[in-house]
Amino acid sequence: AQSVSQHNHHVILSEAASLELGCNYSYGGTVNLFWYVQYPGQHLQLLLKYFSGDPLVKGIKGFEAEFIKSKFSFNLRKPSVQWSDTAEYFCAGGANNLFFGTGTRLTVIP
Amino acid sequence: KAGVTQTPRYLIKTRGQQVTLSCSPISGHRSVSWYQQTPGQGLQFLFEYFSETQRNKGNFPGRFSGRQFSNSRSEMNVSTLELGDSALYLCASSHQQGPTDTQYFGPGTRLTVL
Repeated sequence: AQSVSQHNHHVILSEAASLELGCNYSYGGTVNLFWYVQYPGQHLQLLLKYFSGDPLVKGIKGFEAEFIKSKFSFNLRKPSVQWSDTAEYFCAGGANNLFFGTGTRLTVIP
Repeated sequence: KAGVTQTPRYLIKTRGQQVTLSCSPISGHRSVSWYQQTPGQGLQFLFEYFSETQRNKGNFPGRFSGRQFSNSRSEMNVSTLELGDSALYLCASSHQQGPTDTQYFGPGTRLTVL
């Protein structure tokens, strides 16, 4: 069965700390992977996406993600988080329709 | 450009009733997907419509149905409501069918079933 899993449920970091959120996918066929973010009180919005090509993908607000095929992973990274990065982060992927991970809540302490 | 809009934003119904939710996609987008978001199950795909045809369906009972109109607006209907249907229902639109195109999400409709 197709699925996307996120293992970090809640991450708490201090400002300027580095961030890495894990995401693993489990499906064959065409790889389409996304990271979405939901800031408090706002809509889900796209951070970055990967379809093919360079496995290191850069997104908005300084986020990046690396697709590692051998590990079935698509981890999200940011070298230095800010208080404004406090949000819920969703990894998603799928060959025919999107499957979402359960989300990781990130709290950044000023 | 206006974003995805969903109406109503909040809804309270009782068990056994039915409900219709509406979604207006971004102008020019022809694909509309619906998702259910709950604390326990997270975001789950309901169905996708493209050019007035359902192209994909998630693993939900037949009580959940939808349709898309010629202007790409979409409605979702849930009949015989159950307590477990309480959730945030999200609509997303994109240019193309399928998951390869970026989906733009609306604010959601918060449905509470009493």
